[in-house]
Amino acid sequence: DVKVTQSSRYLVKRTGEKVFLECVQDMDHENMFWYRQDPGLGLRLIYFSYDVKMKEKGDIPEGYSVSREKKERFSLILESASTNQTSMYLCASSLPAGGLDTQYFGPGTRLTVL
Amino acid sequence: GQQVMQIPQYQHVQEGEDFTTYCNSSTTLSNIQWYKQRPGGHPVFLIQLVKSGEVKKQKRLTFQFGEAKKNSSLHITATQTTDVGTYFCAPASRTSGTYKYIFGTGTRLKVLA
Repeated sequence: DVKVTQSSRYLVKRTGEKVFLECVQDMDHENMFWYRQDPGLGLRLIYFSYDVKMKEKGDIPEGYSVSREKKERFSLILESASTNQTSMYLCASSLPAGGLDTQYFGPGTRLTVL
Repeated sequence: GQQVMQIPQYQHVQEGEDFTTYCNSSTTLSNIQWYKQRPGGHPVFLIQLVKSGEVKKQKRLTFQFGEAKKNSSLHITATQTTDVGTYFCAPASRTSGTYKYIFGTGTRLKVLA
């Protein structure tokens, strides 16, 4: 079974803090993704990576950065957390296979910024 | 950019009734995926559609890709309480040699016993 794990289920931080969200997958997947999920807005792509040290901006990258030093690990960084970054953050991974890229999601991290 | 509209946003049905959610795109799609997210859970892949007019079935679930590849639908026959959750369509967009998926806003289904 593919397993995608995220470092925390719940996280509370203060405005201005630097926040690290970690994601690890154990299936040697090349693609990894970070989404945020907000009520009524669905899942919005923040960043994704298709190889180690490679990254691409998604639809809402502002205020975020990412790091992918190892294939299995993809980190999302909030340089200076703000209250509008309070959200559920979901990590996913996929193995590109001729276009059939089933995404496997982690359990999510619910981040609250006070 | 590509816009994805999913309707309805919410649907309450009596157990045993049918349910349909629709996904509409502003552009022609190469393929589309569907996911289900149970309350408190994370999205789980259901199916992928690739061909124009394609219809796929999984037990009581029927997925359809429009002839023009601009829309898709998910139909559940005789809903059960286990069908409760939010259903997302996710059309593919190819960039940098790989696919990224633009998720729809989702349809939240509630099944009343």
